[in-house]
Amino acid sequence: AAGVIQSPRHLIKEKRETATLKCYPIPRHDTVYWYQQGPGQDPQFLISFYEKMQSDKGSIPDRFSAQQFSDYHSELNMSSLELGDSALYFCASSAKSTPGEDNGYTFGSGTRLTVV
Amino acid sequence: QKEVEQNSGPLSVPEGAIASLNCTYSDRGSQSFFWYRQYSGKSPELIMSIYSNGDKEDGRFTAQLNKASQYVSLLIRDSQPSDSATYLCAVNPRYSSASKIIFGSGTRLSIRP
Repeated sequence: AAGVIQSPRHLIKEKRETATLKCYPIPRHDTVYWYQQGPGQDPQFLISFYEKMQSDKGSIPDRFSAQQFSDYHSELNMSSLELGDSALYFCASSAKSTPGEDNGYTFGSGTRLTVV
Repeated sequence: QKEVEQNSGPLSVPEGAIASLNCTYSDRGSQSFFWYRQYSGKSPELIMSIYSNGDKEDGRFTAQLNKASQYVSLLIRDSQPSDSATYLCAVNPRYSSASKIIFGSGTRLSIRP
């Protein structure tokens, strides 16, 4: 079965550079979520989109922005990168605007961002 | 107080025994509850979801929900070495206008041969 596809898998950037992470949800999933997970930490919610509109916003820095496109894929844009941005960035998708019975999220494999 | 609390572990269980993982949450009106398994450096994988009080069984896994006590647990029967991972409890809080779920810090489970 098709899963959530994230690219790139690994990314190394220097401080103050920009990075763009991409996420392709499971077909027919209309909601995309972005999470950041630092070493030894739980995933922290950044932002979500439902039907191409931002649906919720978490602890996303102002230096970050995201959008969902007409084909439902999403991109997370990160500017003025800092060392503390080094983390695993997960994208997840679900089929409804709210997790319901037997839903929950399906996560992509993540992008490991290293800022040097 | 964190919205979702778990014992960080590590929890060490002998192979073949029952592993019991516990989670409490702060929002009494929370609707949906999930258990994810995460191997080091990998993405979380959904193990169980539960929405009603009581038990829900799926193979070797049983999720238990007690909304009155704001408590959700995961039992793993016949524990295998491959069950060694971090288990994340996740909750969809009532106040969420969208569908974001809040994760606990995870419990590290180690199954010893």
